[in-house]
Amino acid sequence: VMTQSPATLSVSPGDRATLSCRASESISSNLAWYQQKPGQAPRLLIYGASTRATGIPARFSGSGSGTEFTLTISSLQSEDFAVYYCQQYNKWPPYTFGPGTKVDIK
Amino acid sequence: QLQLQESGPGLVKPSETLSLTCTVSGGSISRSDSYWGWIRQPPGKGLEWIASIFYSGAMYYSPSLKSRVTISVDTSKNQFSLKLTSVTAADSAVYYCARAPRTYHYDSSAYGNAFDIWGQGTVVTVSS
Repeated sequence: VMTQSPATLSVSPGDRATLSCRASESISSNLAWYQQKPGQAPRLLIYGASTRATGIPARFSGSGSGTEFTLTISSLQSEDFAVYYCQQYNKWPPYTFGPGTKVDIK
Repeated sequence: QLQLQESGPGLVKPSETLSLTCTVSGGSISRSDSYWGWIRQPPGKGLEWIASIFYSGAMYYSPSLKSRVTISVDTSKNQFSLKLTSVTAADSAVYYCARAPRTYHYDSSAYGNAFDIWGQGTVVTVSS
């Protein structure tokens, strides 16, 4: 089971955002982060807990291993306000996603 | 580059079978480095993985949906498909097809990876 906190994060543009994801058992570094905007498909941001996907800006960074993971957005841009999901792929089936964190404008 | 596109009816009646197809373009579905999968998202809710398949036909299912789901691949058409039987209103969702690279992880002694390429999604409503 994947859990995410907080459910909603209110942040001002230019500020730092820190999102958390927790796994109920160790998943090593087999964790991904996705960004989803309204009406769009999810976009892969981070895989392997800390590797940015192709074309993802350096302001997005991931860390953690085992059961505790963090996605950090160093300086929020207007286009970063979205819902963020974590997903484990350590042992599947099934793949499991967290419930999401909504990042909105403060 | 690889692109995925979902297709299928947008409206399905309760108790009937939902059938969707994902067409892969920009590359072959018959590649040893990829799994092909279906993920859904009910209105206002989170993401739920449904099933994945390898081009050879190896299939993987969500335990919660396994009794109602069939995933298949047609390499001649560069497509893979999803069938979900006995649908109810709870199956109304945006259905996405996606690709996950088939990467071996020594720490888990298994293959797997994140979904790096997604289709745009197709809305399916279950209603009479």
